[in-house]
Amino acid sequence: GAVVSQHPSWVICKSGTSVKIECRSLDFQATTMFWYRQFPKQSLMLMATSNEGSKATYEQGVEKDKFLINHASLTLSTLTVTSAHPEDSSFYICSARGKISVKNTEAFFGQGTRLTVV
Amino acid sequence: AQSVAQPEDQVNVAEGNPLTVKCTYSVSGNPYLFWYVQYPNRGLQFLLKYITGDNLVKGSYGFEAEFNKSQTSFHLKKPSALVSDSALYFCAVRDLYGQNFVFGPGTRLSVLP
Repeated sequence: GAVVSQHPSWVICKSGTSVKIECRSLDFQATTMFWYRQFPKQSLMLMATSNEGSKATYEQGVEKDKFLINHASLTLSTLTVTSAHPEDSSFYICSARGKISVKNTEAFFGQGTRLTVV
Repeated sequence: AQSVAQPEDQVNVAEGNPLTVKCTYSVSGNPYLFWYVQYPNRGLQFLLKYITGDNLVKGSYGFEAEFNKSQTSFHLKKPSALVSDSALYFCAVRDLYGQNFVFGPGTRLSVLP
């Protein structure tokens, strides 16, 4: 399957600082990227969907000014957590998908980023 | 609206025994159904999918799933469980032109030696 690389795998930051997480599709063009947040022992919560070259579409309740998403190229999307607070500590996962077709249906996931805000 | 239910938070099975992880879904139109597995502090790995065709789908690591339209179910199965299968399993659904996947709450599988 296709490879999605997410970096960093884990990060610890001080409260009030900003953290950037990168998501790269290594061997395909990701026309759509998704950012999820996962709390312990819970399912994935979709935060936003981004299409290359367009503004991200945020899910209800997700602060777009706090979670900045950029999808500037077909292989890279970034999530920046601005002015991080301890309650932002979580596991963040990106996924990417190429152009929709009958055969191309599944999304591929990065390995996740464990963010801890102290 | 699409939704996915995984009625069991936890499934315990002895190594060598068959395992089943249950999933039911609700979607308008024909569903695209998926199973993913997640190991601790890792992203999700794709196991298998149902798009069309045979109701029994075979996937990675010896897993298979059966699509049952009348029961709106897509249960994940494996004939003989391994300790290394212990992980968190997610069922997901997407409609044909939908952007997003809707994930179930996850089922933690523990295979006991």
